[in-house]
Amino acid sequence: GAVVSQHPSWVICKSGTSVKIECRSLDFQATTMFWYRQFPKQSLMLMATSNEGSKATYEQGVEKDKFLINHASLTLSTLTVTSAHPEDSSFYICSARAPAGDNEQFFGPGTRLTVL
Amino acid sequence: KQEVTQIPAALSVPEGENLVLNCSFTDSAIYNLQWFRQDPGKGLTSLLLIQSSQREQTSGRLNASLDKSSGRSTLYIAASQPGDSATYLCAVKKNAGNMLTFGGGTRLMVKP
Repeated sequence: GAVVSQHPSWVICKSGTSVKIECRSLDFQATTMFWYRQFPKQSLMLMATSNEGSKATYEQGVEKDKFLINHASLTLSTLTVTSAHPEDSSFYICSARAPAGDNEQFFGPGTRLTVL
Repeated sequence: KQEVTQIPAALSVPEGENLVLNCSFTDSAIYNLQWFRQDPGKGLTSLLLIQSSQREQTSGRLNASLDKSSGRSTLYIAASQPGDSATYLCAVKKNAGNMLTFGGGTRLMVKP
């Protein structure tokens, strides 16, 4: 099946710094990737839809200037959390949509962000 | 706006029991519905995907049904094992290219 990777798997940073998370589709090209956030014991909430070669579409309540998304190639999308604060600590998961078939989404293993 | 609800939120059963997890959604106009498994601190593993035109899908000890008109899906796990312990999430997709809307999940604990 299709494989999606994320890097790093976990990161700890100081408040005020910026953190970049990468999402890669390893064996297929993904024109669309999705970024989700999951707080402890809660479900996944969509943050934004990342489209290759164009601007990301953000969900209501998600600050686009704080969560910068770049989808520069068909296999890579990045999420940068700028000026991170402790409340940004969460589990960030990306998914990539397969270009054919039933448009199934394949999920990455997630990135645990802890902001001190 | 689509809302997805999963009941129960948590479930603890002894090993060997057959169990049913429930998922309901408010907008019946869906493209497909998917069941996922998530282990603590890990990403999602897709278990079953049911297209809107299908009634059920089976994989091993898992069977998922879909009643689109009533906005319901169930995940049936036969002969549960401790290794089945995880959080089970259902998610619906409105259109082919659209994102998934997730339910709150059911945290399952199967005791040996």
